[in-house]
Amino acid sequence: EIVMTQSPATLSVSPGERATLSCRASQSVGSNLAWYQQKPGQAPRLLIYGASTRATGIPARFSGSGSGTEFTLTISSLQSEDFAVYYCQQYNNWPPTFGGGTKVEIK
Amino acid sequence: EVQLLESGGGLVQPGGSLRLSCAASGFTFSNYAMSWVRQAPGKGLEWVSGISGSGGTTYYADSVKGRFTISRDNSKNTLYLQMISLRAEDTAIYYCAKDWYVGATTNVFDYWGQGTLVTVSS
Repeated sequence: EIVMTQSPATLSVSPGERATLSCRASQSVGSNLAWYQQKPGQAPRLLIYGASTRATGIPARFSGSGSGTEFTLTISSLQSEDFAVYYCQQYNNWPPTFGGGTKVEIK
Repeated sequence: EVQLLESGGGLVQPGGSLRLSCAASGFTFSNYAMSWVRQAPGKGLEWVSGISGSGGTTYYADSVKGRFTISRDNSKNTLYLQMISLRAEDTAIYYCAKDWYVGATTNVFDYWGQGTLVTVSS
């Protein structure tokens, strides 16, 4: 199965600053990569699919890029509601697999 | 409004069984593939099982193959996960999740339930 590796494990950012999260796949997944946000006690929420397409209702400050094995989620100006754990997920191969997550915390 | 409501979780002894349900509303249930995704306490997400909209095709993670069975009743808009031979490592919150694309299994999950906790312990 494809192993997804996210870095860093924790990212400390001040409100209003830019956050850049990385995700690497153990083999090419093309553009079949999604990003999810999860807040404590809540279910994950789809942010990005197709590596760069925002899901319905997702603010423009969230953007995704990359293809193949290297992907990035960028949050252009962090708002208070953006502090959460972010997961990448590949859906190019069975089984679909998730990265270990990046926690974005307040600096 | 899409809603997914899981139920059936609880405390079970190792080797025991449990059946989870996920009641869906707000969309044409039979048009969408569905999956179960779990999250062990304090850990990340793990896809467990998926099923096509018709129910004719099912998929399983190696970790649960032979022990878990996914099914759906489209007349009741309900997804199920029958779990047998449960192990301590199956302890997790189990989420049902809706595939975003109509008529195909993409494994992109646009709606999730709030989850039901399964604890396997003696």
